[in-house]
Amino acid sequence: SQQGEEDPQALSIQEGENATMNCSYKTSINNLQWYRQNSGRGLVHLILIRSNEREKHSGRLRVTLDTSKKSSSLLITASRAADTASYFCATDGLAGTALIFGKGTTLSVSS
Amino acid sequence: EPEVTQTPSHQVTQMGQEVILRCVPISNHLYFYWYRQILGQKVEFLVSFYNNEISEKSEIFDDQFSVERPDGSNFTLKIRSTKLEDSAMYFCASIGRTQAGGYTFGSGTRLTVV
Repeated sequence: SQQGEEDPQALSIQEGENATMNCSYKTSINNLQWYRQNSGRGLVHLILIRSNEREKHSGRLRVTLDTSKKSSSLLITASRAADTASYFCATDGLAGTALIFGKGTTLSVSS
Repeated sequence: EPEVTQTPSHQVTQMGQEVILRCVPISNHLYFYWYRQILGQKVEFLVSFYNNEISEKSEIFDDQFSVERPDGSNFTLKIRSTKLEDSAMYFCASIGRTQAGGYTFGSGTRLTVV
């Protein structure tokens, strides 16, 4: 299985702090994606990083990928209460193949 | 921004009944997927669909499940005889030829089997 597995399972921080979530996977990937899910809602795509990329930025998000360690991290800088959600990493192999999700990190940002 | 639309948002059904969950993917997308998420658990892949046929399916997607794209726009998931353990959120997703934007997910159908 090429599942992504996130850690920590839960993270509680104060507004303004940075939040770092990690993801590990088992097999070779084509790309790794991060998704956000607000409680009881759908999945929102945040960022995609390809296997030949090492770092990517999007607004307050920074994603790194280390294919030698089969791991990725998602950093949310200057967190806000609205960032409270579950964050999932997902991996896939070839184009069109299924995304395999990890168990997610539940982030709680208090004001 | 284009959306994946799922209906109904919530369905309650009796055990043993058939249900059909509906999805309208983004019109120029080529690959379509169904995922499910049991409450409090991770998102699980069910099936992918490309060029009017199943391209990949998981162990969860047994003979009780089927998918169809009946009219070129709708993409449906049918569960023939629902069980209590089928209660979950079911998400449809689609993606185009490139994956630059990631998969677009619908907001889900909450299926409750009683």
